[in-house]
Amino acid sequence: EAGVTQSPTHLIKTRGQQATLRCSPISGHTSVYWYQQALGLGLQFLLWYDEGEERNRGNFPPRFSGRQFPNYSSELNVNALELEDSALYLCASSLLASGRDFSYNEQFFGPGTRLTVL
Amino acid sequence: ILNVEQSPQSLHVQEGDSTNFTCSFPSSNFYALHWYRWETAKSPEALFVMTLNGDEKKKGRISATLNTKEGYSYLYIKGSQPEDSATYLCAFHRDDKIIFGKGTRLHILP
Repeated sequence: EAGVTQSPTHLIKTRGQQATLRCSPISGHTSVYWYQQALGLGLQFLLWYDEGEERNRGNFPPRFSGRQFPNYSSELNVNALELEDSALYLCASSLLASGRDFSYNEQFFGPGTRLTVL
Repeated sequence: ILNVEQSPQSLHVQEGDSTNFTCSFPSSNFYALHWYRWETAKSPEALFVMTLNGDEKKKGRISATLNTKEGYSYLYIKGSQPEDSATYLCAFHRDDKIIFGKGTRLHILP
């Protein structure tokens, strides 16, 4: 069974540009999560999508957005890139337990996209 | 401000020895605590999802305990092996928030 995949592996952009990162979840998983790990910081929760809808977002500005497609794959868009957006972006997927609370679900991570903003 | 602390930051352990480290989190409104192992150049791998006070979970030589009343979880590794070298992360879930610790970096010495 294929794991979570992410593309591209590396992405280099300049300040002010937009970046689009992609994630394909494990087959059968409906929830997709996005995380950021900036240099020197721990993993930070960005966004949670389930069944095509944004269910929750972390403490990030609106220029971080995304969507989930009918096949449950997801895109993360970062607009008006800033230097501090340089980070490893991880995507994870999970089944969704009853009650639609993501806290109880085991998450499976992809290999990440390394975004560098120059 | 919600804070999740992991200690120690880094740990060197002789192969064959057992070890443990700590994740401390706020004790109120607890939902769940997740443990992950993150090896260099790989993806984080889920180890445990712990939800109830007093939970004890085990996977091979690795086990974890949870105390939600005092706000801590221990991860134990018995008989460390070279493949245990990794960063171990905990993630605290409360309401609609997920807060990760910065991890404990474990080095196994041959």
